Amino acid sequence: DVKVTQSSRYLVKRTGEKVFLECVQDMDHENMFWYRQDPGLGLRLIYFSYDVKMKEKGDIPEGYSVSREKKERFSLILESASTNQTSMYLCASSFDGLGGANVLTFGAGSRLTVL
Amino acid sequence: QQQVKQSPQSLIVQKGGISIINCAYENTAFDYFPWYQQFPGKGPALLIAIRPDVSEKKEGRFTISFNKSAKQFSLHIMDSQPGDSATYFCAAKGYSSASKIIFGSGTRLSIRP
Repeated sequence: DVKVTQSSRYLVKRTGEKVFLECVQDMDHENMFWYRQDPGLGLRLIYFSYDVKMKEKGDIPEGYSVSREKKERFSLILESASTNQTSMYLCASSFDGLGGANVLTFGAGSRLTVL
Repeated sequence: QQQVKQSPQSLIVQKGGISIINCAYENTAFDYFPWYQQFPGKGPALLIAIRPDVSEKKEGRFTISFNKSAKQFSLHIMDSQPGDSATYFCAAKGYSSASKIIFGSGTRLSIRP
């Protein structure tokens, strides 16, 4: 079964801490994404990557950065966590090729609480 | 700026009833309209999708109805079951493979036994 694995399901951090959210996919997908899910706001795209070492800003990149050193791994970094970054974070991937970019495979999510 | 508007935010339906979730979009460049289903503790997963060249697509108890002129599409769940209780997201995407998928705000559906 194909998988997108997010290393931490629940995290509690303090304001100002640096936070790393890790995501690994085993499908050899080219494209990887980080979304944030908040009630009433749906899924909002933070950053995405179409290739190793490439990154593109999504709709809400402020306060976040990403790293993609290997094809299978995409990390989301909160340089200095703030309380308004308390949320559910979802990683997803998709592949190039016919129709591939239309289908996102999501991980189970990482729920981050910033105190 | 919300490009895909989804309603209602929450919905309660009796078992065996029809669940209907509506979405509207603004960008006429969108040409792919998927629905994702998310169970508690899980990530969203693709449920069903439609392109604007057809007005309806049915897969089992799930049907997408599409109205291109009104820029609206909806998900109908026939004979709703408690196992259908989940959060549903409509979405839209443009033709280019580089185009991003834009999600609606989500609908939390509860099916009462």
